[in-house]
Amino acid sequence: KQEVTQIPAALSVPEGENLVLNCSFTDSAIYNLQWFRQDPGKGLTSLLLIQSSQREQTSGRLNASLDKSSGRSTLYIAASQPGDSATYLCAVVTTDSWGKLQFGAGTQVVVTP
Amino acid sequence: NAGVTQTPKFQVLKTGQSMTLQCAQDMNHNSMYWYRQDPGMGLRLIYYSASEGTTDKGEVPNGYNVSRLNKREFSLRLESAAPSQTSVYFCASNRDDAEAFFGQGTRLTVV
Repeated sequence: KQEVTQIPAALSVPEGENLVLNCSFTDSAIYNLQWFRQDPGKGLTSLLLIQSSQREQTSGRLNASLDKSSGRSTLYIAASQPGDSATYLCAVVTTDSWGKLQFGAGTQVVVTP
Repeated sequence: NAGVTQTPKFQVLKTGQSMTLQCAQDMNHNSMYWYRQDPGMGLRLIYYSASEGTTDKGEVPNGYNVSRLNKREFSLRLESAAPSQTSVYFCASNRDDAEAFFGQGTRLTVV
C-alpha cells in the first residue's frame, strides 16, 4: 500500500527566506503527484501537478521536483511572504489506483513578517 | 467559474439522524470523489465514481452510501450518523488522472 510522508509537520520561517517542503512515497509506480495548499477552515487549492514522466513543474515562485526512483518530491517556494502561511499537502496517484489520491498529512507553514 | 460546489457548508446532526451531502461540478469531469479529513489522519477516500453510473468503495466506506446522479452530481449519504463521522468532508473531481479540484468542504458535527 502506498504511504506518503511529509516532514516536517510544521515549519516557521522569516519573510523572504526560501521554503523547502518535502514529500516521500513508498511505491515508485506513480501516475502523478499533486501539491495542494489549504488555508485554515478552507478547501484544497491545487498548486502544481507533476506527471510521472516529468522531473519538475514551475508556476511563478513555486517549483516542484519529482524523483521517482528515490520516492521523493520537493516543493520550493521562493522569497516567502506572510501570505504563503498555510498547510501544504502532497498527494500521489499510483498506477493501480486509477485517479485516487493518497495524501500525506501535510506541512503547516508559518511565514513571519 | 464555480468549479466544485458542496452543500451544506456546516451541519450539526444528532446521533442516528440521516443526511445527504451534495456535490456538483461544472468542469465536465468524468471522475468524482468523496474524502474525509480528520486531525492526525489526513484525507482519506470514502467513495469514488469513475464515470456516470458507476461507484466504488474507497478506504473508509463503512456508514456511507453514494449516488452518482448524473455527470455533474455526486452525493454522499449518512443513513444513521455516529459521532465517529464528525469530520470535514470534501468532494473532488478530475478528468481521468489529471489535476484534481476540490470543493470548500462540509463541516459535520454529530452529537
